[in-house]
Amino acid sequence: QKEVEQNSGPLSVPEGAIASLNCTYSDRGSQSFFWYRQYSGKSPELIMFIYSNGDKEDGRFTAQLNKASQYVSLLIRDSQPSDSATYLCAVRDNDMRFGAGTRLTVKP
Amino acid sequence: DAGVIQSPRHEVTEMGQEVTLRCKPISGHNSLFWYRQTMMRGLELLIYFNNNVPIDDSGMPEDRFSAKMPNASFSTLKIQPSEPRDSAVYFCASSPTNHEQFFGPGTRLTVL
Repeated sequence: QKEVEQNSGPLSVPEGAIASLNCTYSDRGSQSFFWYRQYSGKSPELIMFIYSNGDKEDGRFTAQLNKASQYVSLLIRDSQPSDSATYLCAVRDNDMRFGAGTRLTVKP
Repeated sequence: DAGVIQSPRHEVTEMGQEVTLRCKPISGHNSLFWYRQTMMRGLELLIYFNNNVPIDDSGMPEDRFSAKMPNASFSTLKIQPSEPRDSAVYFCASSPTNHEQFFGPGTRLTVL
């Protein structure tokens, strides 16, 4: 059984702080890793994807991948109240498996 | 492109009735995924297709669920007969091979 694990939260950070979201996965053969954001009542939308070990930055978002530790994270710098949402980690080989999501609240 | 299109957006039905959910993927995407999302179980993959062929239906909960993809631009997910525990949001997503998925707006199903 392929597993993708996330802390369900809620994770609460003050506006302007760094939010750190973590995800572990069980399938060592996984090749592609994704972070989706889902606002309440909406569909998931892609924020970042990463394929290689190391960091990948896109604006205020940084994805970090460590395949040896089977760990992927998402950092959100200068957090804004509009970042408040559930963040889903997804891992893909042939199919796509999602974690349960971490609920993030950014307080003004 | 209009993105992934799903219909209906909301469906309320009574236990025992047949329910059909519809999905039009993004043109050119050759993979299509059906998901179910509930508060208790999160986002669950039900089935996915590559080039209109079902690849993995191990997530389909039971024989009451069936999915078809008769061509590259259309897929259906059918529940017959429906039960109250089937109440959830059903998402369709499409992607080019081995790339990120794009989700439709979802169908909120309520079975009374």
